[in-house]
Amino acid sequence: SQTIHQWPATLVQPVGSPLSLECTVEGTSNPNLYWYRQAAGRGLQLLFYSVGIGQISSEVPQNLSASRPQDRQFILSSKKLLLSDSGFYLCAWKGQLNTEAFFGQGTRLTVV
Amino acid sequence: SQELEQSPQSLIVQEGKNLTINCTSSKTLYGLYWYKQKYGEGLIFLMMLQKGGEEKSHEKITAKLDEKKQQSSLHITASQPSHAGIYLCGAEGSARQLTFGSGTQLTVLP
Repeated sequence: SQTIHQWPATLVQPVGSPLSLECTVEGTSNPNLYWYRQAAGRGLQLLFYSVGIGQISSEVPQNLSASRPQDRQFILSSKKLLLSDSGFYLCAWKGQLNTEAFFGQGTRLTVV
Repeated sequence: SQELEQSPQSLIVQEGKNLTINCTSSKTLYGLYWYKQKYGEGLIFLMMLQKGGEEKSHEKITAKLDEKKQQSSLHITASQPSHAGIYLCGAEGSARQLTFGSGTQLTVLP
């Protein structure tokens, strides 16, 4: 069966420090991969998505970047974190059109 | 890109009451997803609707997609505290981007 792993679960980082959040998927090949950010009690903001290795689409210009070095690995990065980068980050994968997406458990990032 | 608007933004109901959450799209929907989220956790898939006029039910939750495929509603019958959480509608665009509405926060009072 397919599983998605996202880590770490929580992270506290100082302003100006780098960031690397990792998401891996097991049990499927060539998934579409997604990174979202969620403000408290609100909807999901799509940050990046990828339909294949090395293919990254950015939805919102910001202080973050994404990479997909392997088929089932999706990484969210920042060179220098800002206070406004704090939030709940979710990774998801999806197969064919009109099939459900599966979400990781999320990473709560606090920038101090 | 596709924009999804959800209403209401938040909802507080007494246990046992019925409620409806709406999701309206700026473009024709080719697939509409409903998810539920407990605070600080990942999303749980509820239902997917594809065809105009389609209706699906799971336990006490029913979702419909209108004939024009630009609006969906989620209806909960006889709400329970276990229904509390954030409800999100999502749709997939032509470039495979998966976007979501702003969410509806549901509180069910015992």
